[in-house]
Amino acid sequence: QVQLQESGPGLVKPSGTLSLSCAVSGGSLTSGVWWTWVRQFPGKGLEWIGEVYYTGDTNYNPSLKSRLIISVDKSKNHFSLNLTSVTAADTAVYFCTRKSGSFYNWFDPWGQGTLVTVSS
Amino acid sequence: DIQMTQSPSPLSASVGDRVTITCRASQYVSKYVNWYQQKLGAAPRLLIFAASSLQSGVPSRFSGAGSGTDFTLAISSLQPEDFATYYCQQSYRFPFTFGPGTKVHLK
Repeated sequence: QVQLQESGPGLVKPSGTLSLSCAVSGGSLTSGVWWTWVRQFPGKGLEWIGEVYYTGDTNYNPSLKSRLIISVDKSKNHFSLNLTSVTAADTAVYFCTRKSGSFYNWFDPWGQGTLVTVSS
Repeated sequence: DIQMTQSPSPLSASVGDRVTITCRASQYVSKYVNWYQQKLGAAPRLLIFAASSLQSGVPSRFSGAGSGTDFTLAISSLQPEDFATYYCQQSYRFPFTFGPGTKVHLK
């Protein structure tokens, strides 16, 4: 079955760029689903960041849209997150997941998550 | 954005109890609600999708109900492995949003 694995730096300086990748194994990135990023703040709240289709089409959370790029690399079977101008408020555990379902939608499976701390 | 609220939080219960968690959407979301379980240090795990459909591999003691704005997640007989935090989530409209979570802990 599909498995997801996040990777990237665990520490980013304020005003820098947060860059993460999510490797997809056990399935193809081009399987007709939307690939998604979700983050969880230290206080445990969950926030949907955005999603990307294998064609490169995206949907973003308006609260992050001006700083956010989510992209796919079909040759490597992974998708990526780039968030610019980060502040301490972007400190969170970042999860990648798959949006499943054709009419109703849900998130499954999930990667294990990676903690990103924004600090100098 | 559609706001999701949950009650109670937290929830104290004992093994064998029937527990019910309520989720309310700030506007109509039809049946576009999912439920997740999260244990400490782990990713969320899908339990229920489309308000009442049980995800494959999830024990039948879990059930979901509701439509419109009001939803419930029930655990018919709480087991030791069910002590965790539970989140509802709407997929009716962008941006998708989650409830604040309900932590189920031992009474």
